Amino acid sequence: QKEVEQDPGPLSVPEGAIVSLNCTYSNSAFQYFMWYRQYSRKGPELLMYTYSSGNKEDGRFTAQVDKSSKYISLFIRDSQPSDSATYLCAMRAGNQFYFGTGTSLTVIP
Amino acid sequence: DARVTQTPRHKVTEMGQEVTMRCQPILGHNTVFWYRQTMMQGLELLAYFRNRAPLDDSGMPKDRFSAEMPDATLATLKIQPSEPRDSAVYFCASGWTNTGELFFGEGSRLTVL
Repeated sequence: QKEVEQDPGPLSVPEGAIVSLNCTYSNSAFQYFMWYRQYSRKGPELLMYTYSSGNKEDGRFTAQVDKSSKYISLFIRDSQPSDSATYLCAMRAGNQFYFGTGTSLTVIP
Repeated sequence: DARVTQTPRHKVTEMGQEVTMRCQPILGHNTVFWYRQTMMQGLELLAYFRNRAPLDDSGMPKDRFSAEMPDATLATLKIQPSEPRDSAVYFCASGWTNTGELFFGEGSRLTVL
C-alpha cells in the first residue's frame, strides 16, 4: 500500500462548478499537509499548506484535513478554466515528503 | 520574486553521455531536494540535503547518479553514464527544516536517446 493515495482522474467540470479533490494516507506521523498545482511542463506550485486538522481558506480554495480519518481534501469554488492543471497532495513526516500521483483537472468554459 | 532556478531546462543526449543538472535554491533555505517525475511513478525522491550535507540519497541509483552541494547557492545532480530509462523531468526543490513549504524549480527535462 502506498503512503499516499490519490485518484488520478481525469476530472472534467464546467466553469463555475465546485471541485473536490481528495487524498488518503496511512502514516499517522504526517504533520504537514500540502496541495500543489502543476501546469503542463511546469514545476509544482505550492497552493495550500496546513499543519493540523481543520480547514484553511485562501480565496476560492479551501484545504481540509481530517487526521482521525487520515483524509485530506481541496475544494475549489467557482472553478475557472485557469484552474485546469494537475493537483498533487503532499505530506511531510520528519525529513521526508510524500506525494500523491496527482489528479488531472479540466475546467470547461 | 524568489524562486528556485534550474538549468538546463531541456537536455537531449545520447546513451552513455554524462549529464549534469544544476539548481540554485532560494536564498536562505536550508534544505534542498532532488526529485524525478515520470508519468508512471510520479515524483520520486532522489536526494536530500540539509545545510549542504547529504542526508538521504537512498532513492538514487548509486552506480550512475551523484548529487552534491558545493556551496549554499548550488546543488548538482550528475548522471554518468546516462541511459534511456533516465529520461524524465528532474526537479529541484528547496525549503526550511520542519515546515511543509517546499518550493520547486521549473525542472530539467532530460531525454536520453
